[in-house]
Amino acid sequence: DTEVTQTPKHLVMGMTNKKSLKCEQHMGHRAMYWYKQKAKKPPELMFVYSYEKLSINESVPSRFSPECPNSSLLNLHLHALQPEDSALYLCASSQALTGRELAANYGYTFGSGTRLTVV
Amino acid sequence: KQEVTQIPAALSVPEGENLVLNCSFTDSAIYNLQWFRQDPGKGLTSLLLIQSSQREQTSGRLNASLDKSSGRSTLYIAASQPGDSATYLCAVRPLLAGTASKLTFGTGTRLQVTL
Repeated sequence: DTEVTQTPKHLVMGMTNKKSLKCEQHMGHRAMYWYKQKAKKPPELMFVYSYEKLSINESVPSRFSPECPNSSLLNLHLHALQPEDSALYLCASSQALTGRELAANYGYTFGSGTRLTVV
Repeated sequence: KQEVTQIPAALSVPEGENLVLNCSFTDSAIYNLQWFRQDPGKGLTSLLLIQSSQREQTSGRLNASLDKSSGRSTLYIAASQPGDSATYLCAVRPLLAGTASKLTFGTGTRLQVTL
């Protein structure tokens, strides 16, 4: 299995709703990422998990709450979002490696994304 | 702070042309550089990965080169087809300690191949 699977593909939610985005991979990758992408812009990093621990939070508002319950799953819990949070949310995974020779060999695998619309 | 720029921002070519997409980065301390393709509203598909010690990688009609010292990479697409129409993104992985690090993406090149 060489895929990152994201569900749902589309989500429409109101500003008072609570919803969750799900990401799953079975490649044995121990680093997982959430990115946010607005139209015609490159992806922007939100969170990084390494060995199921949060290692990077790019100053994301608390209405976004990540969770990594095990090495294969990554969730993004959403609460009280604003219309400007509407975007494509991408999950990615990679080998969690140290050392120049090892880390250089491996890239990132992205999922197909969740298109989120906040109304 | 690493900055990655892609030129041109948009490109429209007739089918069959060979074309070159450019990617420039400001900090040469990288593990590798990855080229992605993104169709509208979809996720990123990895095309090629070039390690910092490599000069080029090839996959089918695609060839990517890397000149780390000058901070440049190019993606060469041979005999372009309408199905190649998409946005192409380059991304660099920084040479940092730790087991996970953030990719820095380029600004993207939107390619349209016409019949």
